[in-house]
Amino acid sequence: DTEVTQTPKHLVMGMTNKKSLKCEQHMGHRAMYWYKQKAKKPPELMFVYSYEKLSINESVPSRFSPECPNSSLLNLHLHALQPEDSALYLCASSAGGAVNSPLHFGNGTRLTVT
Amino acid sequence: TQLLEQSPQFLSIQEGENLTVYCNSSSVFSSLQWYRQEPGEGPVLLVTVVTGGEVKKLKRLTFQFGDARKDSSLHITAAQTGDTGLYLCAGYNAGNNRKLIWGLGTSLAVNP
Repeated sequence: DTEVTQTPKHLVMGMTNKKSLKCEQHMGHRAMYWYKQKAKKPPELMFVYSYEKLSINESVPSRFSPECPNSSLLNLHLHALQPEDSALYLCASSAGGAVNSPLHFGNGTRLTVT
Repeated sequence: TQLLEQSPQFLSIQEGENLTVYCNSSSVFSSLQWYRQEPGEGPVLLVTVVTGGEVKKLKRLTFQFGDARKDSSLHITAAQTGDTGLYLCAGYNAGNNRKLIWGLGTSLAVNP
């Protein structure tokens, strides 16, 4: 079982819908990440939160809006997505602060935009 | 420009064969991590190598970090069908520890 929990596992949404992806970890990690992954490709970094503050935004379109309500939770709000946004969205956490920290990933949300 | 070159991109072998996956760069990395990802799951960390010349073993998997910390390899002995998955190398560039740099991945299929 992964220590990073993501919900929902699958999501189908239309281009006019608003939905949210949720991520939770209780390892005391202070850095949390959103990645987007296409089939058989490496994860692409979207956002990094460090100590609950947004520290990296990889020029992600504004139709993706991250939120970090507290040190254990990370949300990704979705609005007016395009079909090409269909992908596996992965949340990860790390001890942060520690040099060379490995990432702990959740099992992702498989998103399909119709 | 891909900072971490990973090869091969695809590999299909029979059970019992050996294989090696390579991860190369012209830049120095302060560390390299290897992950395995199975379908429907997130990547799972296999190992982190930090010291140049370091060798780590994980059962049938052997990981090496180059002396100059610019390359790494993963060798699997006597592959099993359970080894099937996407193998990803990733590293923290010596000049920037904020962001993990990823290789393109090696999709391994081990056939019975």
